[in-house]
Amino acid sequence: AQSVTQLDSQVPVFEEAPVELRCNYSSSVSVYLFWYVQYPNQGLQLLLKYLSGSTLVKGINGFEAEFNKSQTSFHLRKPSVHISDTAEYFCAVSEIQGAQKLVFGQGTRLTINP
Amino acid sequence: EAGVAQSPRYKIIEKRQSVAFWCNPISGHATLYWYQQILGQGPKLLIQFQNNGVVDDSQLPKDRFSAERLKGVDSTLKIQPAKLEDSAVYLCASSLTQGARETQYFGPGTRLLVL
Repeated sequence: AQSVTQLDSQVPVFEEAPVELRCNYSSSVSVYLFWYVQYPNQGLQLLLKYLSGSTLVKGINGFEAEFNKSQTSFHLRKPSVHISDTAEYFCAVSEIQGAQKLVFGQGTRLTINP
Repeated sequence: EAGVAQSPRYKIIEKRQSVAFWCNPISGHATLYWYQQILGQGPKLLIQFQNNGVVDDSQLPKDRFSAERLKGVDSTLKIQPAKLEDSAVYLCASSLTQGARETQYFGPGTRLLVL
């Protein structure tokens, strides 16, 4: 079975500063990797996903993530954040074969200070 | 394109009462999911439907939770009787088809408080 650990429950940053949200996963088989964002009182929205190919994945709203197989990590980055990026961010994995269901981390709350 | 619709948005009940949540997926999406999101945690899959058949209900507490998708379109999730620990946001999601590659589209959720 796979699991996801988001290393920071809360990340406060100043507007226009860079940010990195960390995600590590554990799985005995190959996985796909996802980042979802949840704005207050809304459902989850896909930011980006890694299926294959280039390990650097670009998503919506200027976010990108890098898959590192040797470190089993999939950290999310943005070079300059805005107030509107304030939200909860969830990393998730899904086995390529087998159960193929999304398993989420516990989330990281990103707070942008002016 | 309309997104995933859920109702009600909020529900407060007392323990041992029953409650039902409704979900209408994106038109044409064959796969429908129900997740439970407890405060401070990530969503956990309760049940997955492919059309009107159940694909995975391994984490559904079947002694009190039930779900159906009779015509392969909208779906209902029921809890009977509710317990305090059922307080959570219940998210519905849909995807075009099943498979690990498919993007899941989430509804706004139903926030349940059990007193």
